[in-house]
Amino acid sequence: ELKVEQNPLFLSMQEGKNYTIYCNYSTTSDRLYWYRQDPGKSLESLFVLLSNGAVKQEGRLMASLDTKARLSTLHITAAVHDLSATYFCAVANDMRFGAGTRLTVKP
Amino acid sequence: NAGVTQTPKFQVLKTGQSMTLQCAQDMNHNSMYWYRQDPGMGLRLIYYSASEGTTDKGEVPNGYNVSRLNKREFSLRLESAAPSQTSVYFCASSYGTDTYNEQFFGPGTRLTVL
Repeated sequence: ELKVEQNPLFLSMQEGKNYTIYCNYSTTSDRLYWYRQDPGKSLESLFVLLSNGAVKQEGRLMASLDTKARLSTLHITAAVHDLSATYFCAVANDMRFGAGTRLTVKP
Repeated sequence: NAGVTQTPKFQVLKTGQSMTLQCAQDMNHNSMYWYRQDPGMGLRLIYYSASEGTTDKGEVPNGYNVSRLNKREFSLRLESAAPSQTSVYFCASSYGTDTYNEQFFGPGTRLTVL
């Protein structure tokens, strides 16, 4: 059974700091997605990673995929308050989601 | 374009009651999905439909039925609601006919079963 593990599950950061969220999965997949969810809202697509070595960047967020290690990372650079949200990775096989990382960015 | 729409936004049921959640998309997508989201958890796939006329079970299908009414609409039915089905339900759609494509989500239905 495919398992998707995110860590950390909770992350409190100071503005201006950098951090990385990790997404590990247990079976082969060459496609992975990152979503953002604000409290009480729906999910918004952030990144679509389609192959091994894929790297995508949007503003202060950068996502990468290593299919051999079965690992994706979401790197946050110089965090700002507006990035506070819950971030989910989802593996294309059976569309399994991680439990989410609740990010809080403090001034 | 409205994207993916869901009705109702909120619903309270008593144990044993039935109801249908409605979902529609106007993006001409082939695939549609139903998920549930429980506190502290990611989304779990209930059912999906890769094309009009087909439906398949996801990770947690027990207690639910679905109907792909046409290309635009995909409904989720609870025949006899249970407190364990209290959750937020999201509908999603994607362009392709498999689960490998980027999905677009509706606003969600918050369901409470007493």
